[in-house]
Amino acid sequence: LAKTTQPISMDSYEGQEVNITCSHNNIATNDYITWYQQFPSQGPRFIIQGYKTKVTNEVASLFIPADRKSSTLSLPRVSLSDTAVYYCLVAQMDSSYKLIFGSGTRLLVRP
Amino acid sequence: DVKVTQSSRYLVKRTGEKVFLECVQDMDHENMFWYRQDPGLGLRLIYFSYDVKMKEKGDIPEGYSVSREKKERFSLILESASTNQTSMYLCASDSSYEQYFGPGTRLTVT
Repeated sequence: LAKTTQPISMDSYEGQEVNITCSHNNIATNDYITWYQQFPSQGPRFIIQGYKTKVTNEVASLFIPADRKSSTLSLPRVSLSDTAVYYCLVAQMDSSYKLIFGSGTRLLVRP
Repeated sequence: DVKVTQSSRYLVKRTGEKVFLECVQDMDHENMFWYRQDPGLGLRLIYFSYDVKMKEKGDIPEGYSVSREKKERFSLILESASTNQTSMYLCASDSSYEQYFGPGTRLTVT
């Protein structure tokens, strides 16, 4: 099973770009990588998903190197409302369909 | 928009009680999940279901059971609640690896 590792916390300031890296050394060929955002007292919310190279949507970019052993969530120009916990998820589509959440990175955006 | 609802936001039960947590999704998703979330431990998968009447154990199934009689509804059952089951419980359904979460039920067992 692919275990994921993320930094426990990160600090940033409004307007800066934030990059959060997730390590998943044992990722399998058919695994997808997904990132979620969670605010206090709410369920996690999907941010972005990718398989390889780069994916970009209206809120973030996801960079996945060729070996796929890590991925980096990039949040451009963060604001105070981006303060949240960010989870890296490896979707393992084998017969057991186990989904593995990382421990989460607590991002604090300061004014 | 996908909507996942959970029967209660807050619940207080006594040790030994049987507890039912209900989850309903409105997008005809085949896969549904139950997680618990505890400080410092992130989200841990309890059970999931990939079809009606089908279920698979997650990472921490002990002390829990589930029921999926209809596609849109997935229930988590604590047969005899214990204090170590005090936690936030999150239900989710998914489509193409994107999971949609409910608001969570904060369960306190006293």
